[in-house]
Amino acid sequence: GIQVEQSPPDLILQEGANSTLRCNFSDSVNNLQWFHQNPWGQLINLFYIPSGTKQNGRLSATTVATERYSLLYISSSQTTDSGVYFCAVGGRGSNYKLTFGKGTLLTVNP
Amino acid sequence: DSGVTQTPKHLITATGQRVTLRCSPRSGDLSVYWYQQSLDQGLQFLIQYYNGEERAKGNILERFSAQQFPDLHSELNLSSLELGDSALYFCASSEGGYQPQHFGDGTRLSIL
Repeated sequence: GIQVEQSPPDLILQEGANSTLRCNFSDSVNNLQWFHQNPWGQLINLFYIPSGTKQNGRLSATTVATERYSLLYISSSQTTDSGVYFCAVGGRGSNYKLTFGKGTLLTVNP
Repeated sequence: DSGVTQTPKHLITATGQRVTLRCSPRSGDLSVYWYQQSLDQGLQFLIQYYNGEERAKGNILERFSAQQFPDLHSELNLSSLELGDSALYFCASSEGGYQPQHFGDGTRLSIL
């Protein structure tokens, strides 16, 4: 099946800093979603982005499908951005299931 | 609020027992997915239903079963529970196909 690798595994920032999280995948995808898992365990849907670029406030994402990677940008980080960020993909022939990466643990310090 | 409702939020039980987790999808969504999040395995797909029919199976144990009812809600049944079944179980729903999946808040299952 499709492989998903996220980097870095851990990231510690000061409030106000910017960051870039990366997701590499091993095959063509028809679905790519970024999630934020907050300290309460909720999976918050950030972006549905199988290709192209999207922005939502301080967050933006870009997927370059031909090169099999996606980037999540967080600008002017806040302590509430802390948590685990997951990339999940649905590959062709995957029966629509999502395959998740191991996540990036982001800690934003005040 | 994703629109996907999972109950209960927390469940504590003992080894050997059986539990049922419930999921109500977003209004209009025909596909329901179940995922398991554990410390050692991460987030893994278990099973998918579309409009009442099973569509795909992932790493789901034989002790686990699921169904989707005519009103489109779904239940995940876990039996002969073992300590290793302790995990966060998520339900997600989508319109179908490769449309975005929306996740519920999960059911945290603890086996004592």
